[in-house]
Amino acid sequence: GAVVSQHPSWVICKSGTSVKIECRSLDFQATTMFWYRQFPKQSLMLMATSNEGSKATYEQGVEKDKFLINHASLTLSTLTVTSAHPEDSSFYICSASKRGVVPRGNEQFFGPGTRLTVL
Amino acid sequence: GQNIDQPTEMTATEGAIVQINCTYQTSGFNGLFWYQQHAGEAPTFLSYNVLDGLEEKGRFSSFLSRSKGYSYLLLKELQMKDSASYLCAVINQAGTALIFGKGTTLSVSS
Repeated sequence: GAVVSQHPSWVICKSGTSVKIECRSLDFQATTMFWYRQFPKQSLMLMATSNEGSKATYEQGVEKDKFLINHASLTLSTLTVTSAHPEDSSFYICSASKRGVVPRGNEQFFGPGTRLTVL
Repeated sequence: GQNIDQPTEMTATEGAIVQINCTYQTSGFNGLFWYQQHAGEAPTFLSYNVLDGLEEKGRFSSFLSRSKGYSYLLLKELQMKDSASYLCAVINQAGTALIFGKGTTLSVSS
């Protein structure tokens, strides 16, 4: 199979603190990982694409200094929400692709998501 | 740019057939995906179409017309567990990632 895990599954933090979310591909090497954000009753919005060993590519409107992404190995990417504010409360989902380019068919595997609540 | 349109909500009854439409505008085309997402969970892959026509997979089928920028997901013999959000997605302009539509929330009642 192709399993992607995320940790933590949920987190509550105070405004102004930083939160780190981990995304791991458990049984395959993920050249590319993607981070999405999903607000209630909205679709997944792509935040950034990260390739192992290089800087992440952020989508327009996503602050790279606020959402720090590190893809240090072929099985782990982290998203750090710095100085979190209540408006950052959302469902963060990562996905991993076995391919180094855009996935075809069932080649992109999603993690179970992390529910972030900022008080 | 890219634009993906889907109906926001649909309702149906158990045993029925429902068709969820998706229209898209994109420069370049590398395939269209359908995902199912239950509330609070990750999306799960349903189908991938890159050529025109209908692809059938059990109770679910997906259709694509590239010339019309149109796809639909057909769900047959609906079950209560099919109540979920159905997301249409295409590959972005750079060819590097999936861009999702807003999703269609399907409610199946008995």
